[in-house]
Amino acid sequence: KAGVTQTPRYLIKTRGQQVTLSCSPISGHRSVSWYQQTPGQGLQFLFEYFSETQRNKGNFPGRFSGRQFSNSRSEMNVSTLELGDSALYLCASSFGTEHSYEQYFGPGTRLTVT
Amino acid sequence: AQKVTQAQTEISVVEKEDVTLDCVYETRDTTYYLFWYKQPPSGELVFLIRRNSFDEQNEISGRYSWNFQKSTSSFNFTITASQVVDSAVYFCALSEARGYSTLTFGKGTMLLVSP
Repeated sequence: KAGVTQTPRYLIKTRGQQVTLSCSPISGHRSVSWYQQTPGQGLQFLFEYFSETQRNKGNFPGRFSGRQFSNSRSEMNVSTLELGDSALYLCASSFGTEHSYEQYFGPGTRLTVT
Repeated sequence: AQKVTQAQTEISVVEKEDVTLDCVYETRDTTYYLFWYKQPPSGELVFLIRRNSFDEQNEISGRYSWNFQKSTSSFNFTITASQVVDSAVYFCALSEARGYSTLTFGKGTMLLVSP
Protein backbone atom coordinates (compact mmCIF):
# COMPACT_ATOMS: atom_id res chain seq x y z
CA LYS A 1 0.00 0.00 0.00
CA ALA A 2 1.45 3.38 -0.95
CA GLY A 3 2.21 5.76 1.90
CA VAL A 4 1.28 9.39 2.34
CA THR A 5 2.69 11.54 -0.42
CA GLN A 6 3.37 15.25 -0.30
CA THR A 7 4.24 17.62 -3.08
CA PRO A 8 6.41 19.49 -3.59
CA ARG A 9 9.16 18.24 -1.30
CA TYR A 10 11.05 21.52 -1.32
CA LEU A 11 9.90 25.04 -1.93
CA ILE A 12 11.53 28.46 -1.81
CA LYS A 13 9.28 31.50 -1.70
CA THR A 14 9.65 35.20 -1.06
CA ARG A 15 7.98 37.15 1.72
CA GLY A 16 4.52 38.28 0.76
CA GLN A 17 3.91 35.47 -1.69
CA GLN A 18 1.46 32.66 -1.18
CA VAL A 19 2.01 28.92 -1.37
CA THR A 20 -0.08 25.78 -1.79
CA LEU A 21 1.05 22.40 -0.50
CA SER A 22 -0.54 19.13 -1.47
CA CYS A 23 -1.07 15.86 0.38
CA SER A 24 -2.39 12.52 -0.83
CA PRO A 25 -3.37 10.20 2.02
CA ILE A 26 -3.04 6.45 2.21
CA SER A 27 -5.76 4.76 0.17
CA GLY A 28 -8.85 4.29 2.33
CA HIS A 29 -7.88 6.93 4.85
CA ARG A 30 -10.41 9.72 5.16
CA SER A 31 -8.78 11.95 7.75
CA VAL A 32 -5.92 14.28 6.91
CA SER A 33 -4.06 16.45 9.40
CA TRP A 34 -1.39 19.06 8.89
CA TYR A 35 1.46 19.91 11.24
CA GLN A 36 4.16 22.53 11.17
CA GLN A 37 7.62 21.63 12.47
CA THR A 38 10.17 24.28 13.38
CA PRO A 39 13.32 24.08 15.53
CA GLY A 40 11.91 26.56 18.02
CA GLN A 41 8.30 25.47 18.38
CA GLY A 42 8.59 21.81 17.51
CA LEU A 43 5.62 20.02 16.00
CA GLN A 44 2.43 22.03 16.07
CA PHE A 45 -1.01 21.04 14.84
CA LEU A 46 -2.48 23.17 12.08
CA PHE A 47 -5.80 21.57 11.15
CA GLU A 48 -7.58 18.31 10.48
CA TYR A 49 -10.04 17.41 7.74
CA PHE A 50 -12.43 14.52 7.55
CA SER A 51 -14.88 13.97 4.72
CA GLU A 52 -14.13 17.42 3.31
CA THR A 53 -14.96 19.13 6.61
CA GLN A 54 -12.52 20.82 8.93
CA ARG A 55 -12.91 19.02 12.26
CA ASN A 56 -10.27 20.72 14.31
CA LYS A 57 -7.99 23.73 14.04
CA GLY A 58 -4.81 24.70 15.81
CA ASN A 59 -3.73 28.10 17.00
CA PHE A 60 -2.48 29.61 13.75
CA PRO A 61 -3.43 32.87 12.04
CA GLY A 62 -6.01 32.98 9.29
CA ARG A 63 -3.25 33.14 6.68
CA PHE A 64 -3.10 29.38 7.05
CA SER A 65 -5.99 27.59 5.43
CA GLY A 66 -6.74 24.20 4.04
CA ARG A 67 -9.27 22.08 2.27
CA GLN A 68 -10.01 18.48 1.47
CA PHE A 69 -11.38 17.07 -1.72
CA SER A 70 -13.86 14.26 -2.24
CA ASN A 71 -11.02 11.80 -2.90
CA SER A 72 -9.55 12.73 0.54
CA ARG A 73 -6.60 14.56 -0.98
CA SER A 74 -5.86 17.75 0.88
CA GLU A 75 -4.18 21.06 0.25
CA MET A 76 -3.00 23.73 2.59
CA ASN A 77 -2.44 27.32 1.64
CA VAL A 78 -0.38 30.00 3.29
CA SER A 79 -0.94 33.54 2.12
CA THR A 80 1.26 36.57 2.63
CA LEU A 81 4.26 34.50 3.63
CA GLU A 82 6.45 35.64 6.50
CA LEU A 83 10.01 34.60 7.30
CA GLY A 84 8.70 32.72 10.33
CA ASP A 85 6.65 30.45 8.09
CA SER A 86 9.86 28.66 7.07
CA ALA A 87 9.32 25.14 8.34
CA LEU A 88 8.77 21.51 7.52
CA TYR A 89 5.08 20.96 6.85
CA LEU A 90 3.96 17.45 7.56
CA CYS A 91 0.77 15.84 6.44
CA ALA A 92 -0.67 12.82 8.22
CA SER A 93 -3.51 10.53 7.32
CA SER A 94 -5.57 8.16 9.42
CA PHE A 95 -8.49 5.87 8.82
CA GLY A 96 -10.87 7.95 10.87
CA THR A 97 -11.07 10.99 13.01
CA GLU A 98 -11.27 9.26 16.38
CA HIS A 99 -8.41 9.92 18.76
CA SER A 100 -7.56 6.23 18.86
CA TYR A 101 -6.40 6.03 15.29
CA GLU A 102 -2.71 6.21 14.64
CA GLN A 103 -1.61 8.73 12.09
CA TYR A 104 0.77 8.00 9.27
CA PHE A 105 2.98 10.83 8.14
CA GLY A 106 4.30 11.84 4.77
CA PRO A 107 7.88 12.96 4.09
CA GLY A 108 6.96 16.62 4.45
CA THR A 109 7.38 19.76 2.40
CA ARG A 110 10.35 21.92 3.36
CA LEU A 111 9.30 25.55 2.86
CA THR A 112 11.91 28.28 2.94
CA VAL A 113 10.76 31.89 2.92
CA THR A 114 13.38 34.49 1.97
CA ALA B 1 -4.68 21.78 28.57
CA GLN B 2 -2.78 18.77 27.36
CA LYS B 3 0.99 18.77 27.43
CA VAL B 4 3.80 16.33 26.70
CA THR B 5 7.26 16.79 28.18
CA GLN B 6 10.40 15.08 26.97
CA ALA B 7 13.04 16.42 29.30
CA GLN B 8 15.97 14.81 27.49
CA THR B 9 16.94 16.96 24.54
CA GLU B 10 19.78 14.79 23.32
CA ILE B 11 21.22 11.43 24.37
CA SER B 12 24.46 9.93 23.09
CA VAL B 13 25.25 6.26 23.56
CA VAL B 14 27.65 3.73 22.15
CA GLU B 15 26.29 0.85 20.13
CA LYS B 16 24.88 -2.05 22.19
CA GLU B 17 24.09 0.14 25.17
CA ASP B 18 20.53 0.23 26.46
CA VAL B 19 18.83 3.61 26.46
CA THR B 20 15.58 4.91 27.92
CA LEU B 21 13.72 7.90 26.57
CA ASP B 22 11.44 9.63 29.05
CA CYS B 23 7.98 11.02 28.40
CA VAL B 24 5.67 12.72 30.88
CA TYR B 25 2.21 13.89 29.91
CA GLU B 26 -0.58 16.02 31.29
CA THR B 27 -4.24 15.69 30.44
CA ARG B 28 -7.59 16.20 32.10
CA ASP B 29 -9.23 13.53 29.97
CA THR B 30 -9.68 10.05 31.35
CA THR B 31 -9.72 8.66 27.84
CA TYR B 32 -6.61 9.28 25.81
CA TYR B 33 -3.97 7.62 23.70
CA LEU B 34 -0.21 7.87 23.83
CA PHE B 35 2.11 7.39 20.89
CA TRP B 36 5.78 7.20 20.05
CA TYR B 37 7.11 8.28 16.68
CA LYS B 38 10.61 8.13 15.22
CA GLN B 39 11.94 10.79 12.89
CA PRO B 40 15.10 9.78 11.02
CA PRO B 41 17.16 12.37 9.12
CA SER B 42 14.91 11.93 6.09
CA GLY B 43 12.21 13.79 8.01
CA GLU B 44 9.29 11.40 7.82
CA LEU B 45 7.68 10.54 11.15
CA VAL B 46 7.44 6.79 11.61
CA PHE B 47 4.74 5.39 13.89
CA LEU B 48 6.14 3.03 16.56
CA ILE B 49 3.44 2.32 19.11
CA ARG B 50 0.03 3.34 20.41
CA ARG B 51 -1.21 2.80 23.95
CA ASN B 52 -4.63 3.67 25.38
CA SER B 53 -5.19 5.08 28.83
CA PHE B 54 -6.90 1.94 30.09
CA ASP B 55 -4.11 -0.43 29.22
CA GLU B 56 -1.10 -0.19 31.51
CA GLN B 57 0.54 -3.37 30.35
CA ASN B 58 4.11 -2.96 29.28
CA GLU B 59 4.88 -3.90 25.74
CA ILE B 60 7.92 -5.38 24.10
CA SER B 61 8.57 -5.48 20.39
CA GLY B 62 11.97 -6.85 19.50
CA ARG B 63 14.58 -4.48 20.95
CA TYR B 64 11.90 -1.90 21.83
CA SER B 65 9.90 -1.83 25.03
CA TRP B 66 7.49 0.65 26.54
CA ASN B 67 6.58 1.31 30.17
CA PHE B 68 3.26 3.07 30.76
CA GLN B 69 2.52 4.24 34.32
CA LYS B 70 -0.63 6.28 34.90
CA SER B 71 0.35 6.94 38.51
CA THR B 72 3.30 9.03 37.34
CA SER B 73 1.80 10.06 33.98
CA SER B 74 4.76 8.59 32.18
CA PHE B 75 5.19 6.56 29.02
CA ASN B 76 8.88 5.70 28.72
CA PHE B 77 10.55 4.00 25.78
CA THR B 78 13.57 1.72 26.08
CA ILE B 79 15.81 0.52 23.28
CA THR B 80 17.86 -2.53 24.21
CA ALA B 81 21.23 -3.11 22.58
CA SER B 82 21.06 0.10 20.57
CA GLN B 83 22.27 0.18 16.97
CA VAL B 84 23.54 2.99 14.76
CA VAL B 85 20.31 2.78 12.74
CA ASP B 86 18.41 3.81 15.88
CA SER B 87 19.88 7.30 15.59
CA ALA B 88 16.92 9.63 15.11
CA VAL B 89 14.68 12.05 16.92
CA TYR B 90 11.99 10.33 18.95
CA PHE B 91 8.70 12.00 19.73
CA CYS B 92 6.13 11.14 22.34
CA ALA B 93 2.59 12.32 21.56
CA LEU B 94 -0.86 12.43 23.15
CA SER B 95 -4.37 12.43 21.69
CA GLU B 96 -7.48 13.08 23.74
CA ALA B 97 -11.00 11.86 23.16
CA ARG B 98 -12.35 15.37 22.66
CA GLY B 99 -9.60 16.37 20.25
CA TYR B 100 -10.37 13.97 17.45
CA SER B 101 -7.08 12.57 16.18
CA THR B 102 -5.09 15.71 16.90
CA LEU B 103 -1.68 14.90 18.32
CA THR B 104 0.10 16.98 20.93
CA PHE B 105 3.80 16.31 20.63
CA GLY B 106 6.69 16.63 23.01
CA LYS B 107 9.78 18.51 21.85
CA GLY B 108 11.52 15.28 20.97
CA THR B 109 14.69 13.54 22.09
CA MET B 110 17.57 13.24 19.66
CA LEU B 111 19.30 9.88 20.05
CA LEU B 112 22.82 9.51 18.69
CA VAL B 113 24.22 6.00 18.60
CA SER B 114 27.88 5.81 17.72
CA PRO B 115 29.72 2.67 16.59
